[in-house]
Amino acid sequence: RKEVEQDPGPFNVPEGATVAFNCTYSNSASQSFFWYRQDCRKEPKLLMSVYSSGNEDGRFTAQLNRASQYISLLIRDSKLSDSATYLCAVIDQTGANNLFFGTGTRLTVIP
Amino acid sequence: GAVVSQHPSRVICKSGTSVKIECRSLDFQATTMFWYRQFPKKSLMLMATSNEGSKATYEQGVEKDKFLINHASLTLSTLTVTSAHPEDSSFYICSAKLNEQFFGPGTRLTVL
Repeated sequence: RKEVEQDPGPFNVPEGATVAFNCTYSNSASQSFFWYRQDCRKEPKLLMSVYSSGNEDGRFTAQLNRASQYISLLIRDSKLSDSATYLCAVIDQTGANNLFFGTGTRLTVIP
Repeated sequence: GAVVSQHPSRVICKSGTSVKIECRSLDFQATTMFWYRQFPKKSLMLMATSNEGSKATYEQGVEKDKFLINHASLTLSTLTVTSAHPEDSSFYICSAKLNEQFFGPGTRLTVL
């Protein structure tokens, strides 16, 4: 069973749409969760950390559901520049704080 | 924010040769660096954790004799892919840990 699982998509949405991604994790002891954005052939860049109480940064909202072991990312009012692959990542508390990534969800925002 | 560089950004080599990839933290010191590999349309997979002044810790299934890691200073870790094969062709990304992990721009390796 994979540590972190995501729907690979692709998600093709029109500009202005709201889109949500989910990611599940298998290690119930995991404590730290993140969403990264990765553009084609580039390194991942931290989009936001995910806190237990949920957090919002502009058009982006991240939430954590510990009971069901998933994290979500909501993007409102999608922009063309949001087109990218979104990776969720979890820190494995049993090791040296290694990041485990999901396969990523590809988003394309269409004009 | 913190900057991590990688060199080279792209390398093409013949099967059987060795390739060295450098990862540098430019404006901070990192006792811990990580090496990841990403195949097309796949996730980043952690290969090993590089600790300054000690041996690297390899993930299960990663051959330590094939992927040599040296973390000789607080700003430099190197990954050497020895006796490269076409199946080693991939995108190799390093990261350096400060308060969070900062990623290098990646090295695209193509083995002919």
